Amino acid sequence: GQQLNQSPQSMFIQEGEDVSMNCTSSSIFNTWLWYKQEPGEGPVLLIALYKAGELTSNGRLTAQFGITRKDSFLNISASIPSDVGIYFCAGTPVAGGSNYKLTFGKGTLLTVNP
Amino acid sequence: AAGVIQSPRHLIKEKRETATLKCYPIPRHDTVYWYQQGPGQDPQFLISFYEKMQSDKGSIPDRFSAQQFSDYHSELNMSSLELGDSALYFCASSPRNQAETQYFGPGTRLLVL
Repeated sequence: GQQLNQSPQSMFIQEGEDVSMNCTSSSIFNTWLWYKQEPGEGPVLLIALYKAGELTSNGRLTAQFGITRKDSFLNISASIPSDVGIYFCAGTPVAGGSNYKLTFGKGTLLTVNP
Repeated sequence: AAGVIQSPRHLIKEKRETATLKCYPIPRHDTVYWYQQGPGQDPQFLISFYEKMQSDKGSIPDRFSAQQFSDYHSELNMSSLELGDSALYFCASSPRNQAETQYFGPGTRLLVL
């Protein structure tokens, strides 16, 4: 099946720093989604991207759907301690047809030092 | 805003027992997905339902079955539980006009002893 390569695996940053993470695939995706998950909780949808080239913001978060439809990035500006968590990219590959099961990246563990 | 509701939140079972997990989607969402997440892993798709019909199937063991009811809630039935079934089980729902945009519930943590 399709695989998403998410990097970096983990990040340890200082409060106030900007963060960038990305996902790439060898397959074309119809949709890219970014989720944040905290321990023992469900993934929370942060940003959804539906068109190649689309750039969307949600507060301090910005994400883009790559023009090739094979990649996406998520930026977090001016990080704060509550940004701590695991960030997952997820998408629906074109090869999946009309089914919308999500393929997930392996996640980026973000730690913010106050 | 209303979110996906899952019950129970925690469940402890013995090997070979059965378990039933319930999911109540966001109102007016007609598609439900089930995912399994092992420790330190990303969520893996199990099965999905659209308008009470199974729409897709992933790596779901034959020991598991699921269905969606007329009120759109869904149940995941797990039989002959094995130690390896211990995981977080998430339900997600999506609206009719944006089926690829999935909103996850808080999950059920299943521990098989």
